[in-house]
Amino acid sequence: DQQVKQNSPSLSVQEGRISILNCDYTNSMFDYFLWYKKYPAEGPTFLISISSIKDKNEDGRFTVFLNKSAKHLSLHIVPSQPGDSAVYFCAASAQGGSQGNLIFGKGTKLSVKP
Amino acid sequence: DSGVTQTPKHLITATGQRVTLRCSPRSGDLSVYWYQQSLDQGLQFLIQYYNGEERAKGNILERFSAQQFPDLHSELNLSSLELGDSALYFCASSASPRTAWGDTQYFGPGTRLTVL
Repeated sequence: DQQVKQNSPSLSVQEGRISILNCDYTNSMFDYFLWYKKYPAEGPTFLISISSIKDKNEDGRFTVFLNKSAKHLSLHIVPSQPGDSAVYFCAASAQGGSQGNLIFGKGTKLSVKP
Repeated sequence: DSGVTQTPKHLITATGQRVTLRCSPRSGDLSVYWYQQSLDQGLQFLIQYYNGEERAKGNILERFSAQQFPDLHSELNLSSLELGDSALYFCASSASPRTAWGDTQYFGPGTRLTVL
C-alpha cells in the first residue's frame, strides 16, 4: 500500500506559467515532507522541505504548501523555466526525520515547453 | 556533481548471479544510504550505514547485503538475482546519522542493473 502518492505521472506547462505538482499521503504520523528533483542520468537532488508545523515554505521560485487535514502537499514553481523539466519526487517521514526512513512517491515528470 | 560516486554505471547480468555495487560518499560524510528504484516506482530505502555500523534497515531482501568499510566507501551485494531485481540503485551520503533527514542526503548518479 502506497503511503505517498503522486497521482500524475506527467505534467506539461508553458514556460513562464505556474507548475503545480501534487502529492497525497496516508500516514497521519508523517510530519516532515520533502521534494526532490531528478534529471536523467543523475541522482535526485533535494529541492525544498516543509515541517508539519508550517503550511507553507518558500524558496525563490519554489513554494511548498501543506494541507494536513487533507493529507496533501503541493509544489508550486513560478515562473516555470525549461530547465525545470525533470522528474519531481515527493517524500515523507515521521517525527521530523528522527523515526523511520523517507517514503517516496513514484514521481511526476514535468515538461516545461519554451 | 553531488560528490557521491557510484560504480559501475550500468551492469547487465543473468538470473541467479551475484553482483556488487560500489559507492564512495562525499568527503567527510559518515552515513551511506542505499535506495532501489524499480520501473515506475518511487525510491525505496534499503539500508543505511553510519561510520561502519548498520544504522537502519528498510525494505531490503535477505538476498541483499551491504557493508561500509573503514575508508567509508560502501558496497551493496545482490545475490541469486531475479528479473525483478532490475532497477536503478542509488547511494546517498550525509554527514548526519539520521535516517530520514532527506535535506542532508546527497545522491549519486545511480547504477542501472539489468537482470536478463
